[in-house]
Amino acid sequence: DQQVKQNSPSLSVQEGRISILNCDYTNSMFDYFLWYKKYPAEGPTFLISISSIKDKNEDGRFTVFLNKSAKHLSLHIVPSQPGDSAVYFCAAKSFSEGGSEKLVFGKGTKLTVNP
Amino acid sequence: EPEVTQTPSHQVTQMGQEVILRCVPISNHLYFYWYRQILGQKVEFLVSFYNNEISEKSEIFDDQFSVERPDGSNFTLKIRSTKLEDSAMYFCASTSSDRVNTGELFFGEGSRLTVL
Repeated sequence: DQQVKQNSPSLSVQEGRISILNCDYTNSMFDYFLWYKKYPAEGPTFLISISSIKDKNEDGRFTVFLNKSAKHLSLHIVPSQPGDSAVYFCAAKSFSEGGSEKLVFGKGTKLTVNP
Repeated sequence: EPEVTQTPSHQVTQMGQEVILRCVPISNHLYFYWYRQILGQKVEFLVSFYNNEISEKSEIFDDQFSVERPDGSNFTLKIRSTKLEDSAMYFCASTSSDRVNTGELFFGEGSRLTVL
């Protein structure tokens, strides 16, 4: 089951630069896309989301872009800070009449921001 | 800030034994979940629970698994007869009525289960 794919297992950037994390999906029924951040020995923490009817959502240093025609989303972090170093999971939720609540996760991308 | 708490943080058990993982969701949340992550793999949905019943479950959640909300605060996952492949990090999550449709969940720190 590869409905949500993060093809880059890791990414390394310099402090102050932009981090771009990518995610592809296959299911056209997804109605929300989310990014979660995970530090070691902690659970995933919600970061930002976007509805499938939008193409951009911004929250401070974090912006998520959605390209529905390409079934692709990306998370931009600018400027990147050492504290952003974590594993970032892309996740998606599908709409259904029954109110499906399950999230489908990608494998995650480990971001390292070097001082 | 309110958070989801899970116990135990790590449990080691013998194959075939029963295991109960416990979770205390955020107090005003109504939707509860269990997810798991096998080492090196994706976080996978197991089950969702609302209004004292299962609202959705995955193929992984077979007859060996059960969930319960025995009182107003705890939410438990029971594995009746553990298998080696049940070794994973199990995450409990909860959310509120105004967040459930957007998929914004609040996760606990996880319970690591090791089956020998």
